[in-house]
Amino acid sequence: KNEVEQSPQNLTAQEGEFITINCSYSVGISALHWLQQHPGGGIVSLFMLSSGKKKHGRLIATINIQEKHSSLHITASHPRDSAVYICARLCTGTASKLTFGTGTRLQVTL
Amino acid sequence: DAGITQSPRHKVTETGTPVTLRCHQTENHRYMYWYRQDPGHGLRLIHYSYGVKDTDKGEVSDGYSVSRSKTEDFLLTLESATSSQTSVYFCAIRGLGAGELFFGEGSRLTVL
Repeated sequence: KNEVEQSPQNLTAQEGEFITINCSYSVGISALHWLQQHPGGGIVSLFMLSSGKKKHGRLIATINIQEKHSSLHITASHPRDSAVYICARLCTGTASKLTFGTGTRLQVTL
Repeated sequence: DAGITQSPRHKVTETGTPVTLRCHQTENHRYMYWYRQDPGHGLRLIHYSYGVKDTDKGEVSDGYSVSRSKTEDFLLTLESATSSQTSVYFCAIRGLGAGELFFGEGSRLTVL
C-alpha cells in the first residue's frame, strides 16, 4: 500500500465542470504539495500547504491534517487543465523527503 | 522560471555502459533530488543531497551513485546500465520557502 493514495486514477470531464481530486496519506506530514504534469513531462508545483486552504485562480487546495486528507479542486474546468495531477507528502527530517502519489490523469473535453 | 536544467534530455545506450546525468541549478538551493518516473509508479527517490558532499540513498538507489562537489551540480551515475533502468529521470531542487520546489524537464534514458 502506497503511503500516499490518490483518487480517482483517471478522470474525464466536460469543459466547465467542477473537478475534485483526492489525496490521502497514512503518516503525519509537515506539508503537502500538489503538482501538475502536462503531456511532454514538465512538472510544476501548484501548491504547498500545511493547513487550511489555498487558492490560485481556478485552483483550490484544501487539507485536513487530522483526517490525513487533501483535495484539489478545479472550478470551470478547461481543456488546458488536462494533465496529470500529483500529490506529494513532505516530512521534515535530514533531507525533507517527498513521497509521491501515482497521480490522477485528468482529461477535459469540449 | 527556476534555474534548473538537466542534461542530456534524451539518451539511448547499451546494457553495461556507464551513464551520467547532470542536474544544474542557479538558485543556490540546499536540497537536490534525483527521481525516476515509471508507468504505474509515482516518482521514486533514487538519491538526494542536503549539501555539498552530503548525499544519501533513497528508496530505489541500487545501481545508482551520486556526487555533489559544488552547490549547483548534482550528478547521477549508472555505473553499468541495465534495461530496468530505462526510465525518465527528474531532478528537483527545494528551497526553504513555502512552495519552493522545482523540477527539471526530465531526462529520458533508454537502455537497450
